[in-house]
Amino acid sequence: SQTIHQWPATLVQPVGSPLSLECTVEGTSNPNLYWYRQAAGRGLQLLFYSVGIGQISSEVPQNLSASRPQDRQFILSSKKLLLSDSGFYLCALSPGNRGLGANVLTFGAGSRLTVL
Amino acid sequence: KQEVTQIPAALSVPEGENLVLNCSFTDSAIYNLQWFRQDPGKGLTSLLLIQSSQREQTSGRLNASLDKSSGRSTLYIAASQPGDSATYLCAVRFVNNNDMRFGAGTRLTVKP
Repeated sequence: SQTIHQWPATLVQPVGSPLSLECTVEGTSNPNLYWYRQAAGRGLQLLFYSVGIGQISSEVPQNLSASRPQDRQFILSSKKLLLSDSGFYLCALSPGNRGLGANVLTFGAGSRLTVL
Repeated sequence: KQEVTQIPAALSVPEGENLVLNCSFTDSAIYNLQWFRQDPGKGLTSLLLIQSSQREQTSGRLNASLDKSSGRSTLYIAASQPGDSATYLCAVRFVNNNDMRFGAGTRLTVKP
């Protein structure tokens, strides 16, 4: 079965510090991978998605970046955090052997980031 | 603009009641619609997926319906239990869109 690991689970960082959140998946090959952010009291916002190694698409302009160095690894980064980057970051996958339109999303447990 | 709306934002019911959560979306050109459950501070758990060609899906006490032409879906929970307390999120995968658009969720509280 498909499993998503996210770490760290909780992170408190000062403004201006760097960020690295990691997501790894098991039980599937060539998945589509996604980073979502959930701000307090708001819905999920897609930040990045990837259909393969080195292929990253960004949905919103921001000071965050994503990388996919391996098929089952997806990393969310920032060089300098802002207060507005606080939120709950969720990694998700969908099977890559079908088109983006037909797939079920599976989510990780999330990483809660607080920027002070 | 492709948007997903969930009403109500919060709902409190006594244990044993049947209840309906609503989801509406602005564009009928969709691939599928998925209902999720989210417990506080946790990730999302998929409950039901309805493909655009389907009218409903059932899993245990849950039944989700889809009326694509009117842009609506409902999640019906029968005989609610305190363990059903959580936030329920609706997500729609629109055609010509690479992600799933999420509603803001309905926070359900089932009182014993």
